Amino acid sequence: DTGVSQDPRHKITKRGQNVTFRCDPISEHNRLYWYRQTLGQGPEFLTYFQNEAQLEKSRLLSDRFSAERPKGSFSTLEIQRTEQGDSAMYLCASRSGTGANEQFFGPGTRLTVL
Amino acid sequence: AQSVAQPEDQVNVAEGNPLTVKCTYSVSGNPYLFWYVQYPNRGLQFLLKYITGDNLVKGSYGFEAEFNKSQTSFHLKKPSALVSDSALYFCAVRDLPSNTGKLIFGQGTTLQVKP
Repeated sequence: DTGVSQDPRHKITKRGQNVTFRCDPISEHNRLYWYRQTLGQGPEFLTYFQNEAQLEKSRLLSDRFSAERPKGSFSTLEIQRTEQGDSAMYLCASRSGTGANEQFFGPGTRLTVL
Repeated sequence: AQSVAQPEDQVNVAEGNPLTVKCTYSVSGNPYLFWYVQYPNRGLQFLLKYITGDNLVKGSYGFEAEFNKSQTSFHLKKPSALVSDSALYFCAVRDLPSNTGKLIFGQGTTLQVKP
């Protein structure tokens, strides 16, 4: 257990539905990342928060995706009008301060879009 | 663009034998390199990192990695493999042009340790 939690662990939904995932980082970590991992691939960066500010978004994050970190603590990732291509593991990670500190990953949310 | 390559999809080794999981990188400037391990249906666990200093970095669970600047490699090693080391291993580099600290991952190498 790294101290980063994600909920739910698994989500099965039908195409066109909206889904929301939650990430609770390690409490003292002010930097939070979302990644997406598809089968047989390494994680790919989606978006980054420093405190409550979303400072970078990948081009992978289409306009159907939105992420928030309203109080600089937990974060949510919402996917609207899900498509089958959204099926993946969504990973959250957090780290502290500046420097080259490693990121600590949560267990992930596995999304299956039918 | 910065990138990481893991040339082997799978590495097989017998328990008790030394193991090596290969990683090469392409970056502009000095690299910040990381190794993570992923067990089935789990998130990634940090093993070790190289930022600066000694080229041989020691990490968790008896793993170590050797940074080689001339060969742009950062291979993961362990002197004696355990069956419980069987997992998916990822090499990653910090994306330095971005000041966010985001990581760029290789495609992963599955390590199978057989009894």
